[in-house]
Amino acid sequence: KNQVEQSPQSLIILEGKNCTLQCNYTVSPFSNLRWYKQDTGRGPVSLTIMTFSENTKSNGRYTATLDADTKQSSLHITASQLSDSASYICVVKSGGSYIPTFGRGTSLIVHP
Amino acid sequence: DTAVSQTPKYLVTQMGNDKSIKCEQNLGHDTMYWYKQDSKKFLKIMFSYNNKELIINETVPNRFSPKSPDKAHLNLHINSLELGDSAVYFCASSQGTGGNTIYFGEGSWLTVV
Repeated sequence: KNQVEQSPQSLIILEGKNCTLQCNYTVSPFSNLRWYKQDTGRGPVSLTIMTFSENTKSNGRYTATLDADTKQSSLHITASQLSDSASYICVVKSGGSYIPTFGRGTSLIVHP
Repeated sequence: DTAVSQTPKYLVTQMGNDKSIKCEQNLGHDTMYWYKQDSKKFLKIMFSYNNKELIINETVPNRFSPKSPDKAHLNLHINSLELGDSAVYFCASSQGTGGNTIYFGEGSWLTVV
């Protein structure tokens, strides 16, 4: 069964600090992995997409990594800002299914 | 220039009522979705249409009936609303089903009392 597990479930950090969010998956065959950011009261927005051959991809202060061998991904946020407070959702697409598998998200709160 | 728009944004209604949520996308995508997000923030797919044809129906009660009059619209009608239907419903679209970016609407907050 395809599954996506995210950790931690929630995280509180001070503004300016870095943090790393984790995503482990058992989706097979692997097609791609996306990180979405969902602000409170809004719909999710795609941050990055990783395919099998990609190890690292950056989008501003967000850097995603992928280890296809261990089936793990991480999202690193550098120099956090208050606007980074949101839920971060890992979504993995299988090559054999129309339906991507969603993680339950990590809720990040950045305090001033 | 909203890409995926859904209405209404907020809906409070009594048990047993029938309600509809409308969705339109102006991205030219051929695939549209309805997702349900529960109180624990978990997004679960309900339906997906590709070129107006239903391709995904994830064990949703038949009180929920999607309708896609054209590729740009996917409406959700819910009959005999129950307390457990209270959630946020997200409409979304993508080009194809091969893993391209899914663009989400802003959500419709449904509260059944």
